Amino acid sequence: DQQVKQNSPSLSVQEGRISILNCDYTNSMFDYFLWYKKYPAEGPTFLISISSIKDKNEDGRFTVFLNKSAKHLSLHIVPSQPGDSAVYFCAALHSGTYKYIFGTGTRLKVLA
Amino acid sequence: DGGITQSPKYLFRKEGQNVTLSCEQNLNHDAMYWYRQDPGQGLRLIYYSQIVNDFQKGDIAEGYSVSREKKESFPLTVTSAQKNPTAFYLCASSIAGGANTEAFFGQGTRLTVV
Repeated sequence: DQQVKQNSPSLSVQEGRISILNCDYTNSMFDYFLWYKKYPAEGPTFLISISSIKDKNEDGRFTVFLNKSAKHLSLHIVPSQPGDSAVYFCAALHSGTYKYIFGTGTRLKVLA
Repeated sequence: DGGITQSPKYLFRKEGQNVTLSCEQNLNHDAMYWYRQDPGQGLRLIYYSQIVNDFQKGDIAEGYSVSREKKESFPLTVTSAQKNPTAFYLCASSIAGGANTEAFFGQGTRLTVV
């Protein structure tokens, strides 16, 4: 049972344009959502997060949007840069269990 | 510097042998986690521990064992019962206690069983 889903395995975007990565979840008990960036053979690094009581959080070029009614979140990267090319994972946390559940990842390629 | 250290980075073992992956953190985090990454499968939770001397099975615990004798350490043993042990293993830690916060990851261990 995949509780966190990233339905797009890959995405290509031109440098300078917007990258939009999507994530869906099924468990309404999740109360915190996170995005991680990962390079091959390295551990994921934290990018940005959002609490379930908010619908938007912004940090520089990165913005995460949360639509609780649709159980959907998205990560916007504007403007996209070649260094953003990596695999992006969304994750959800149910703070009562301390379990971080990850999606399958989306490989972003930013073309110069 | 504070962080999570996984060792070794690459590990080779013969089929049928048990192998233990090390994970140490100096972040004073209560919670620690082990994930496995396979191509196209994302990060799947093997075991997690919220506090010393306590741990819980994740989604794919079969064939693995852990211990949490010290707050700083959470070693993972891949036993001969694990049918597909070749994978990239990631250890993480976080502040527990109900805080909404991120998990920090180590650099991973690539295990290859031949």
